[in-house]
Formats: sequence, C-alpha cells, structure tokens
Amino acid sequence: DAGVTQSPTHLIKTRGQHVTLRCSPISGHKSVSWYQQVLGQGPQFIFQYYEKEERGRGNFPDRFSARQFPNYSSELNVNALLLGDSALYLCASSLGQKVNYGYTFGSGTRLTVV
Amino acid sequence: GESVGLHLPTLSVQEGDNSIINCAYSNSASDYFIWYKQESGKGPQFIIDIRSNMDKRQGQRVTVLLNKTVKHLSLQIAATQPGDSAVYFCAETAAGNKLTFGGGTRVLVKP
Repeated sequence: DAGVTQSPTHLIKTRGQHVTLRCSPISGHKSVSWYQQVLGQGPQFIFQYYEKEERGRGNFPDRFSARQFPNYSSELNVNALLLGDSALYLCASSLGQKVNYGYTFGSGTRLTVV
Repeated sequence: GESVGLHLPTLSVQEGDNSIINCAYSNSASDYFIWYKQESGKGPQFIIDIRSNMDKRQGQRVTVLLNKTVKHLSLQIAATQPGDSAVYFCAETAAGNKLTFGGGTRVLVKP
C-alpha cells in the first residue's frame, strides 16, 4: 500500500514568489495535517483538514493557506516567500481527526528560498 | 514553549549497548505521547506511543516510560544497532488533532 505521498520532493524558489505543495493521504484517511520543520528543530503544526474543513491552525502568518479536496488530497500554499520559509514541509494523514488514528507522515518537500 | 535550539543534543552509544533518550514536556493537559525516529531526508517514523493513563509501554526492543508528576518521557532502546542511528523526537498532544514536538536528540551508534 502507498504511504503518504508528497510532491515535489525538492523545490527552490525566490523571495516574494508563491509556492504550492501537494499531499496525497493514505487510502481511506480523511485527515491531512501540515507541519513545517526548520533544520535542526522539531516539526511545527501549521494546519489540519478533516472532511475538507479546516479543523486546526498553528501560529503561522496569513501567507500560509491550505485546502483539502473531495478525494482528501491537500495543498499547502505559501505567498510572498521569505528566506525564513526555507524548511522541510511535512504532511501527515490519519483515519480520523485525532492523532491516535494511524497518524502517518510523508517524506516531505524540501523548500529552499533564495 | 515550542522554540528549540539549532544544535541537537547527541547521544553516542556503542553497538549492542542500551540507549536512553529523555524528553521533558510542559503541557500538563497532554494525554497522548509518541516517539518518532527521523532519518536524514525522511519524515518522522512512528516508534511507540503511550497514553497518560499508563506509566510504561514496551515494544520490540523499545520501552517508553512516562512520569506525569515531573512531566518527563523517556525512550529506551535495547541492544542498539547501527540502523538505530537517527534523530529521535518526542511528541505530545492535548487537543488530539495536532502534535507538539520536542527538540530532538541525535543518536550515533559506534560499531
């Protein structure tokens, strides 16, 4: 069975640009969460979507937005990129809204802003 | 809080020895805890979890201990192998729909 799939795996963008990251959850999983992991730190929660609705938001500026599609895949959008947005962006999917329902991470998208 | 330093603490352990990784958490309302292993270029991989109504849980070669009184979590790895070299994170949740991660510990296994 395919795990959580994220694309692209690596991305280089220029300051001020916009980026879209994509996540396909494990088949049957209805919840997708996004995390940002800066080098040398633990992941930080950005968003959770469950049944296509936003169910949680972390302490990130409005430049960060996300959505979930009818097939439960998700996109994370970041506008007006800053150098500090350079990080590994992780997607996690789970069966239900709670993290103890088979919470599984993908391998992430490495975003470099120059 | 959620801010952590840039330099991960490192645990060097001889192959075959036992490893103990510690984690302190701050939210007394947290009721579910997970240990993750993260290898270079990969996402966090689930190792073992424990609920707040338990003090100890064992898996294959791993044991998690929870001390709610001092808000401390530990991961014990028995007979550490070269494949155990990675960064280990503890994570907690109180709300149930998001995880708060600790700063991580790098484990280096010496042959």
